[in-house]
Amino acid sequence: SQTIHQWPATLVQPVGSPLSLECTVEGTSNPNLYWYRQAAGRGLQLLFYSVGIGQISSEVPQNLSASRPQDRQFILSSKKLLLSDSGFYLCAWSTEGSVGTEAFFGQGTRLTVV
Amino acid sequence: EDKVVQSPLSLVVHEGDTVTLNCSYEVTNFRSLLWYKQEKKAPTFLFMLTSSGIEKKSGRLSSILDKKELFSILNITATQTGDSAVYLCAVDRGGSEKLVFGKGTKLTVNP
Repeated sequence: SQTIHQWPATLVQPVGSPLSLECTVEGTSNPNLYWYRQAAGRGLQLLFYSVGIGQISSEVPQNLSASRPQDRQFILSSKKLLLSDSGFYLCAWSTEGSVGTEAFFGQGTRLTVV
Repeated sequence: EDKVVQSPLSLVVHEGDTVTLNCSYEVTNFRSLLWYKQEKKAPTFLFMLTSSGIEKKSGRLSSILDKKELFSILNITATQTGDSAVYLCAVDRGGSEKLVFGKGTKLTVNP
């Protein structure tokens, strides 16, 4: 069965520090991978998605970047965090289905920038 | 611009009540609509709807899609405190690998 691992679960970082959040998927190959951010009281905002190794699409201009060094690994990074980067970050994966595409989510990372 | 709008944004009910959550959408090349339940962390999948008028049921939860009027509803009957969560609606667009999410409805069920 497929599983998705995301870590760390919580993170407190000072403004200006770097960030690296990691997500790995097991039990499937060539998944579509996503990074979402959820601010308090808001829906899920898509940050990045990837359909293959080295293929990254960015949805919104921001202080973050993503990389996919391996088929089932997706990394969210920042060189210098801003206060506005605080939020709940969710990694997700999906496969291309014949009708519709269900996404499966990791447990999320609560990031607080202080 | 593609968008998904959920209403109400929040709802407080008593155990045993029936609730209806709404989701309307405007997207190009609609393929399916999905409902998720988010309690503490990861959203968990509830339903995927692709055809109009066909109700999907799972226990006390049910959902239906209207592709003509571009909306879906999620019904929860005989609510329980364990139903308290944020319910997210998302639309999958054909030709794109992205799900577009609404802001969610926060449901609180009081004993």
